[in-house]
Amino acid sequence: NAGVTQTPKFQVLKTGQSMTLQCAQDMNHEYMSWYRQDPGMGLRLIHYSVGAGITDQGEVPNGYNVSRSTTEDFPLRLLSAAPSQTSVYFCASTPGGVLYGYTFGSGTRLTVV
Amino acid sequence: AQSVTQLGSHVSVSEGALVLLRCNYSSSVPPYLFWYVQYPNQGLQLLLKYTSAATLVKGINGFEAEFKKSETSFHLTKPSAHMSDAAEYFCAVSDPRTGGFKTIFGAGTRLFVKA
Repeated sequence: NAGVTQTPKFQVLKTGQSMTLQCAQDMNHEYMSWYRQDPGMGLRLIHYSVGAGITDQGEVPNGYNVSRSTTEDFPLRLLSAAPSQTSVYFCASTPGGVLYGYTFGSGTRLTVV
Repeated sequence: AQSVTQLGSHVSVSEGALVLLRCNYSSSVPPYLFWYVQYPNQGLQLLLKYTSAATLVKGINGFEAEFKKSETSFHLTKPSAHMSDAAEYFCAVSDPRTGGFKTIFGAGTRLFVKA
């Protein structure tokens, strides 16, 4: 049981480039979320999904897009990378709302130069 | 709106000493509260959670936390620190009315354990 798998683990982008951060879970969890972690700021919610075909914005959605075509996958797209998007990105899932607590992936460290 | 404040970005204790990590929350409704731990280069792991049952909550690795409504606090404690407890700890709050999807995390407290 792999849990939540994020790829890649590290990425360097040039300003203006686009890319997709992949997130997959094999626990049949309905709810998935993307967070970014910055020093001294904890984790901030970017987007979340309560099931296939349903997504919504979190605290800091600007510059990011998501889609949820299957229960297993929840990719995060950066349309035009900016240095302010340099961060560590975490994907998390939970079976039925946060009552159960999140299971987190190991993160993607993104640097935009 | 909900918020979480963790008092102290760094806490240092000696091995065998009491661990106390402070968390205060703000919420207009009875919240769900969580503590997560993050080891270097890893994702967060759930330590324990409060979801309106017992106010004293026991978690993994000997940690526990007490929900005090009058003080709007949810401090994390462990009677005796071990070297393996060195990590960053995050307190989080969630609104049960929204299914908890917009969980708000504190800024984190890094715990150092001295031999």
